Parts: sequence; C-alpha cells; structure tokens
Amino acid sequence: KQEVTQIPAALSVPEGENLVLNCSFTDSAIYNLQWFRQDPGKGLTSLLLIQSSQREQTSGRLNASLDKSSGRSTLYIAASQPGDSATYLCAVSGGNQFYFGTGTSLTVIP
Amino acid sequence: GAVVSQHPSWVICKSGTSVKIECRSLDFQATTMFWYRQFPKQSLMLMATSNEGSKATYEQGVEKDKFLINHASLTLSTLTVTSAHPEDSSFYICSARAPGQGTYEQYFGPGTRLTVT
Repeated sequence: KQEVTQIPAALSVPEGENLVLNCSFTDSAIYNLQWFRQDPGKGLTSLLLIQSSQREQTSGRLNASLDKSSGRSTLYIAASQPGDSATYLCAVSGGNQFYFGTGTSLTVIP
Repeated sequence: GAVVSQHPSWVICKSGTSVKIECRSLDFQATTMFWYRQFPKQSLMLMATSNEGSKATYEQGVEKDKFLINHASLTLSTLTVTSAHPEDSSFYICSARAPGQGTYEQYFGPGTRLTVT
C-alpha cells in the first residue's frame, strides 16, 4: 500500500524566506502528485498538480518538482508571506486511489 | 470550473441520531466520488469510493452499515452517518473526479464538520 510522508511536520520561518517542503512516497507507480493547502477548519485548496510524466510545475511563488524514480516531491515557496501560514498536504494518485501525506504545518512570522 | 460543494458545512447532532451529508459536483458530471475523514491535526483518510449507480467500495476498517453512501446521480453523492456517536465527530470531505479525465485529478469539497454530543 502506498505510504506518503512529509517532512518536516512543522516549520516556522520569518517573512521573506524561501522554503522547501518535502514529500516522499513508497510506490513510484503513480498517475500524478498534487499539493494542497489547508487552512484551520477549512477544506483543501489545490495548489499544483504534477502529472507522472512531468518534472515540475510552477504557479506564482510556488514551484513543485517530482522525481518519480526516487519517490520524492518538493514544494518550493519563494519570498514567504504571513498569508502562506497553513498546513500543506501532498497527495499521490494511483488512479482511483488518492493517498495523502501527513502534512507540514507552516507558520510565517511577520 | 470543477466546483464541488458540500452541505451542510457544519452539523451538531445528538448521539444515536443519523446525519446525512451531501456532496455535489456543480459544473461537471462525476462518475466517481470519494469520501474522506480527517481527525484534528491528522491527514485525510479515504473512507470509501462511490461510483454512480453502483455500491460503494469501503476502505478496510470502515463500517459500511454505519457510513451509508449513495451515489444516485452523476452530480450527487450522499454520506449518512447512522447512529452517530461522539467518536464519529470529525471533518468529512468529499471529492469528485470527472469521467474520461486522464489526469485523475480530484476536486475537493469544502468539508463538513460533524460534532456528535
């Protein structure tokens, strides 16, 4: 069964810093990998979707990379802002199955 | 496009009663919908997968007689928590996938917070 792990579990950085969130998965047979943001008590906001054939995707200050062979993905956030504070989840899709990581709780300090 | 709604957004019920949560795809037809549960400070756990017009497939450890799932149309799936108990209090999130979509992307609803007293 696919297992998805995210490191670190929590991260606190001063405003303006660039940061990297990590996601690893055990089974490389995936269709895609998706990064989400979740604010406290709220649902999921999709940030980036990387197809299995792709290496990276970019949206604004966010850049996500995928290395399927090593079972790793990173989410790079440039010039962090207090509004970026949230929990970030990665999820891998094996067709109908969608496996979520454990999440990284990010706090950006003004 | 690709909007999924849930109703209600939050509900409080008494122990022993049943609660129904609706999940709707507003601008696309969803042949497959998924139900997840999220406990505080934990990640989402898949409960079941429902395909329109057929029985839901439940994940191991999820009681199908307690969590009734109905996917009667291409835009609506419902989750009924029967004889709810305080331990069923959780955040329930649904997602939907459009047919024939090679990306296998799932679109998530805003979630329903259930509190059982």
